[in-house]
Order: sequence, then structure tokens, then C-alpha cells
Amino acid sequence: QVQLVQSGPEVQKPGASVKVSCKASGYTFTNYGITWVRQAPGQGLEWMGWISVYNGNTYYGHNQDRVTMTTDTSTSTAYMELRSLTSDDTAVYYCARVSGGNPDYWGQGTLVTVSS
Amino acid sequence: DIQMTQSPSSLSASVGDRVTITCRASQSIASSLSWFQQRPGKAPQLLIYAASSLQSGVPSRFSGSGSGTDFTLTISSLQPKDFATYYCQQSYSSPWAFGQGTKVEIK
Repeated sequence: QVQLVQSGPEVQKPGASVKVSCKASGYTFTNYGITWVRQAPGQGLEWMGWISVYNGNTYYGHNQDRVTMTTDTSTSTAYMELRSLTSDDTAVYYCARVSGGNPDYWGQGTLVTVSS
Repeated sequence: DIQMTQSPSSLSASVGDRVTITCRASQSIASSLSWFQQRPGKAPQLLIYAASSLQSGVPSRFSGSGSGTDFTLTISSLQPKDFATYYCQQSYSSPWAFGQGTKVEIK
């Protein structure tokens, strides 16, 4: 069965960086993309971007100057790094498999807390 | 960038009611629209893709319609586990965007 398992919660200081991982299983990793979505406490969903695992092409949202999405096909793992963190980046970060432009399977979410 | 606007932002309904949520795009997105359900503390779940295609395993009481700029999610007979927040998302052009969400509450 398709599973996306994300890394554990993080606490970071303002100005630091965070790198969240998303390990996929149950399907051919290179045949699909991975998208990243975040949700601040009590707020809606915010699209951060997606990466084509097949060719590495990336498409970013409004934080494009601070975010980098990568994949490691040898371990079927996707990564999302966010730099220059502020308190506004405190959120649950989700990865999801992209099939034909649709995020069909989701990870469990990773809480990132930015606090001094 | 394409903006997505959902209405209403919240609604109260009873078990068995027919519920309709609308999503409007700021420009045409053809049929590149998905609907998601999110229960508290859980990851979103894909319900509908390509505006009207039911995701595998999703109950048939959920349906989607529309194309271009105006879309609708309908729940034909609301069940207790359907009380949740619903989001639309366009994947027509980057940056993909979500609507602000519609919270469905128990009347």
C-alpha cells in the first residue's frame, strides 16, 4: 500500500533552517511527483510547491526564495528545506504524492515550531 | 496568480441534508480542480479530482461538477463523519492554490 512517512517534529530558532523528509513506499517513486503543503495553527492550507521526481524539475510557491525541494531516488525520500525561519513559518508541513496533478496520498504531517 | 474563492466559509447542517459548496477561480482553470476533506488533526484526503472524478474509495454521496471558473462539491446525504473542513485546489498553473476552506458543522 502507498505510504508516505514524514520525519518528526522540529523546534528551530528564528533565522535557522529546517529540513523535513518524506519517505515513500508501496509504489514506483520515480513515476510520480511530490508536493509540499503547510498549515499554520488554525489556518487553511498553503501550497509550497512540487517536484517532479522523474526529472527533478521544481515549481515553488510564494516562499520560492527560501525553499528547496529535492529527492533521493536511492532511498525513495523527498526533502523540503526552508531557510531563514520566522514565527510565521510555524506550521504543520505535509508531503503528498502527485498523480496527474492531484495530491492523492498524504504523509502524516510534521510540526515545525519556530521559537526563540 | 490564480485565486480560489470558496463559499460559504462555514455552514451548519443536519445528518441527511444535501450540502453544496462552491469554488470560483479568478480565471479559467479548465477542469484542473480537486476537492479535499480534512478532519481535525488529520491530513487532507482527496475526494474529487479533475473537477468531477471520484477518488477510489470515496463514498458515492460525494460528487463534483463544473469547469472553467465555477465548481461545486455536493454531499448528497450528510453523514456524521462528513463534519469536517473542505478545500478546493487548482492545479492548472503554478502556483497551485487552495481555497480558504469551508467548515461543515453539525446543526
